Amino acid sequence: QKEVEQDPGPLSVPEGAIVSLNCTYSNSAFQYFMWYRQYSRKGPELLMYTYSSGNKEDGRFTAQVDKSSKYISLFIRDSQPSDSATYLCAMFQSGTYKYIFGTGTRLKVLA
Amino acid sequence: GAVVSQHPSRVICKSGTSVKIECRSLDFQATTMFWYRQFPKQSLMLMATSNEGSKATYEQGVEKDKFLINHASLTLSTLTVTSAHPEDSSFYICSAAPETMDAETQYFGPGTRLLVL
Repeated sequence: QKEVEQDPGPLSVPEGAIVSLNCTYSNSAFQYFMWYRQYSRKGPELLMYTYSSGNKEDGRFTAQVDKSSKYISLFIRDSQPSDSATYLCAMFQSGTYKYIFGTGTRLKVLA
Repeated sequence: GAVVSQHPSRVICKSGTSVKIECRSLDFQATTMFWYRQFPKQSLMLMATSNEGSKATYEQGVEKDKFLINHASLTLSTLTVTSAHPEDSSFYICSAAPETMDAETQYFGPGTRLLVL
């Protein structure tokens, strides 16, 4: 079993839709949870990070963590064509300094 | 945010040659740099962790004699793919972390696409 599981997609949605991206993990020692956005042939850029269960909101993005279920989500409201990218979840265990990435979900927002 | 650069952005080489990729932190000192490899439609896989002035720590299954890492200064780490073969073709991404690293302060470079013919 992989430490982090993420549906690779692709996921196609119409402009303005609410997008839900998800990851599950198996290592209960993970303490930090990040979402990265990666455009084609570019390095990943950090969108959001959180370290506690619950929701964290930043503009159109909401990160949700449920440690009891080992499940994290990223919600994108009012999705735009410019949101079309691959979204990677990443997990981090304090002291290891190692990020474990999901496979990424390819998102396409149709105009 | 902090900037990490990589050079070259793209390289094509013949099988058997060596290729050097540079990773630079432009506006901060990076105590630790990480090298990742990403195959098409796959996740980033950590190859090695390098700390300035010491030997790199390689992940299981990564050949340290094939992927030479040098972290000679607090702003520069290099990855040399020695005797490259077509199966080494991939997207190589570095990230850099400042001394007081928190989870969110690992900054990624734009990546280097390597194609070995």
